[in-house]
Amino acid sequence: AQTVTQSQPEMSVQEAETVTLSCTYDTSESDYYLFWYKQPPSRQMILVIRQEAYKQQNATENRFSVNFQKAAKSFSLKISDSQLGDAAMYFCAYRSPQTGANNLFFGTGTRLTVIP
Amino acid sequence: KAGVTQTPRYLIKTRGQQVTLSCSPISGHRSVSWYQQTPGQGLQFLFEYFSETQRNKGNFPGRFSGRQFSNSRSEMNVSTLELGDSALYLCASSLRGAGRTADTQYFGPGTRLTVL
Repeated sequence: AQTVTQSQPEMSVQEAETVTLSCTYDTSESDYYLFWYKQPPSRQMILVIRQEAYKQQNATENRFSVNFQKAAKSFSLKISDSQLGDAAMYFCAYRSPQTGANNLFFGTGTRLTVIP
Repeated sequence: KAGVTQTPRYLIKTRGQQVTLSCSPISGHRSVSWYQQTPGQGLQFLFEYFSETQRNKGNFPGRFSGRQFSNSRSEMNVSTLELGDSALYLCASSLRGAGRTADTQYFGPGTRLTVL
């Protein structure tokens, strides 16, 4: 089974600064999908960004970007110009391309605090 | 377009009872997945339904079951509740969720189940 590891249980960042959250995964598959989800105190999981493994270009969504290192099986999330509303739990997730395997494997999450 | 909705949002039950949770996916989405979130175990996949058929199942006992209706709405049922079933139950929908697609799962707000 695929495993996803987030080694930073908690991180903090000053407002307007940049922070990077780490994620590594273990898989024997060559093609797969990776996601970052955000879970604010409201508990609703919100998609932040996604990356297809076959794409070499790192995904970017406004202030959010990833550093995808396929050989190292690393998928870090960079948040630029951090805002108070970015405070949340962030989960890294993996999805297999296999038919019938739509389930996500989640890491344990990183709690991000934004300091005003 | 309306998001994923889950009812009820909060539920309190006692040991031995059974409970049914409901999930309405985003219009047009045919795949519905269920996840359990607890502080100890994190986010774990329960099962996925597509076109009224269970397509994938996680490692949970038979007390956990589900179904999907022709309008893609899904319900999950937990029988003979145990204290350890207290959790946030999240439902996620996606278009097809089949194989080599970058289908994204969109999550509902969750149902908080407390078992006393």
